[in-house]
Amino acid sequence: GQQVMQIPQYQHVQEGEDFTTYCNSSTTLSNIQWYKQRPGGHPVFLIQLVKSGEVKKQKRLTFQFGEAKKNSSLHITATQTTDVGTYFCAGGGGADGLTFGKGTHLIIQP
Amino acid sequence: NAGVMQNPRHLVRRRGQEARLRCSPMKGHSHVYWYRQLPEEGLKFMVYLQKENIIDESGMPKERFSAEFPKEGPSILRIQQVVRGDSAAYFCASSATRNYEQYFGPGTRLTVT
Repeated sequence: GQQVMQIPQYQHVQEGEDFTTYCNSSTTLSNIQWYKQRPGGHPVFLIQLVKSGEVKKQKRLTFQFGEAKKNSSLHITATQTTDVGTYFCAGGGGADGLTFGKGTHLIIQP
Repeated sequence: NAGVMQNPRHLVRRRGQEARLRCSPMKGHSHVYWYRQLPEEGLKFMVYLQKENIIDESGMPKERFSAEFPKEGPSILRIQQVVRGDSAAYFCASSATRNYEQYFGPGTRLTVT
């Protein structure tokens, strides 16, 4: 079945530094979605990418979908304390539906 | 415009009892998913249902766990004869179609004593 790997598992940054998390799939994806879960909260949908090579921005967040539609990244510029949480990618592909990665825990030191 | 609702938010059960978790999807959504999450871990897919049908239950243990999504009423995740290892957060999500974005409920935190 489809597998989605996400790295790193944990990332410590100083406030103001940039942060990137990477997502890799064992198969070609029809789409990739990103979710954020605050500590003690529930996952919240951030964005969906569908096209090969697609790049989307949301304020300080930049999402990319690889040319081969097998990998994706989320980059946060100048992190703030409100960015703390776990970021999950989820790959969509055919009959398997969505497969979630294990997430990257972002820890920010003020 | 209510989102996905889950109840109860917290549930305490003794070993051997039954746990019933309820999920009402967003209005207009007929696809429901159940996930389990242990502290500091990712979301483990359990089951995917579409009104009255179980589409994919590959992530659900074969024994003690069952799920339903009746024509009327919420989706139910049922855990019989709970054990300490069942303690976790159980999230329900719904979507308009299978590969569209999923909207998560606040979760049910199950504690087995």
